[in-house]
Amino acid sequence: NAGVTQTPKFRVLKTGQSMTLLCAQDMNHEYMYWYRQDPGMGLRLIHYSVGEGTTAKGEVPDGYNVSRLKKQNFLLGLESAAPSQTSVYFCASINRGPGDTQYFGPGTRLTVL
Amino acid sequence: KQEVTQIPAALSVPEGENLVLNCSFTDSAIYNLQWFRQDPGKGLTSLLLIQSSQREQTSGRLNASLDKSSGRSTLYIAASQPGDSATYLCAGGWRGSQGNLIFGKGTKLSVKP
Repeated sequence: NAGVTQTPKFRVLKTGQSMTLLCAQDMNHEYMYWYRQDPGMGLRLIHYSVGEGTTAKGEVPDGYNVSRLKKQNFLLGLESAAPSQTSVYFCASINRGPGDTQYFGPGTRLTVL
Repeated sequence: KQEVTQIPAALSVPEGENLVLNCSFTDSAIYNLQWFRQDPGKGLTSLLLIQSSQREQTSGRLNASLDKSSGRSTLYIAASQPGDSATYLCAGGWRGSQGNLIFGKGTKLSVKP
């Protein structure tokens, strides 16, 4: 199993550009999450999904959209990138539900100029 | 609002020393607590998961405890090695949070040969 994978690993955007980050898991997990990690702020939840076709907002959802059209994929979109969205983005998934171990992807390092 | 705090932010110890990393949380109705390891530029690797019904979990040289009444968890590392150098994050999950985790900001551990 590859576990949780993220595409791309690095990206540089100009202010106002849009992009989509892809998270894929091959463990048949129901729940998936997008976090961002910033120096001095720790990890913060952006959006999450409790199953195919569902999404919900986390702590810092503004400026992001998500979709879970297939159970194994969770997409994070930036509609109009801003320098404040420069961060490392992590995707995670869990199996049956709350109380299970979260598995994390390797991260996407995004810089917005 | 649930919060997770880790003190100190950084710790340096000589090789072979036994050490304790601390994590505190504000809401004693915690559902579970996870300890993660993060190497520079990498994703998070789950080390130990403690359910609210448990008091501790062990894996090799690692032992994590959970005391809900005092709002504290500790990660004990026995006979530390230079390879243990990393940032250690604790994260709490609460019932009704859909598996969302609240992270501390981490303790950066350096084990000197």
